[in-house]
Amino acid sequence: DTGVSQNPRHKITKRGQNVTFRCDPISEHNRLYWYRQTLGQGPEFLTYFQNEAQLEKSRLLSDRFSAERPKGSFSTLEIQRTEQGDSAMYLCASSFEAAISKKLFFGSGTQLSVL
Amino acid sequence: DAKTTQPPSMDCAEGRAANLPCNHSTISGNEYVYWYRQIHSQGPQYIIHGLKNNETNEMASLIITEDRKSSTLILPHATLRDTAVYYCIVSAGGSQGNLIFGKGTKLSVKP
Repeated sequence: DTGVSQNPRHKITKRGQNVTFRCDPISEHNRLYWYRQTLGQGPEFLTYFQNEAQLEKSRLLSDRFSAERPKGSFSTLEIQRTEQGDSAMYLCASSFEAAISKKLFFGSGTQLSVL
Repeated sequence: DAKTTQPPSMDCAEGRAANLPCNHSTISGNEYVYWYRQIHSQGPQYIIHGLKNNETNEMASLIITEDRKSSTLILPHATLRDTAVYYCIVSAGGSQGNLIFGKGTKLSVKP
């Protein structure tokens, strides 16, 4: 499978716990994005990387959230001290930087439920 | 905030053309119009994009008005598998900016 892979597919956690999600982008893509989506809403941009550099972060990305892409390949998104409001689908996407268009390839997401 | 306006929902009969409108009256000269769709429980999928000219690919056609203030995505022969939320997004090309999704249009294709 050469698409964007996200793990786990589902995560249930208790409020206050830390969680980490992983995203494996398409191998030749050097840009990687994280979005969050709640029920009935469109995806909301969180952050993106170009290679290993995190170039932009949304105001939605509070200090409890941290994303890394240490070797410019896979990325992790960690949420510390989870809150019920963090319950959402977390989507990862990748693209090829040199492309003129913003043709993003999305994974199927990680559904987080905070109890 | 999203820079586009779309109807919240539309219905289409299977086999007929689905025409999804989008208003983007504040679009800038360097901004493209992108269309993505999201089938239930999946991530968004790129459909098509354009700047000024009409575009066609294997999935759909994109018609952009001459003043670029609105556009229409056309699915020529809708199938049940085209039932999804369709997002119209305007964004600068290349590395500038990011894709800002609105709520989209929920298209229901019915037998």
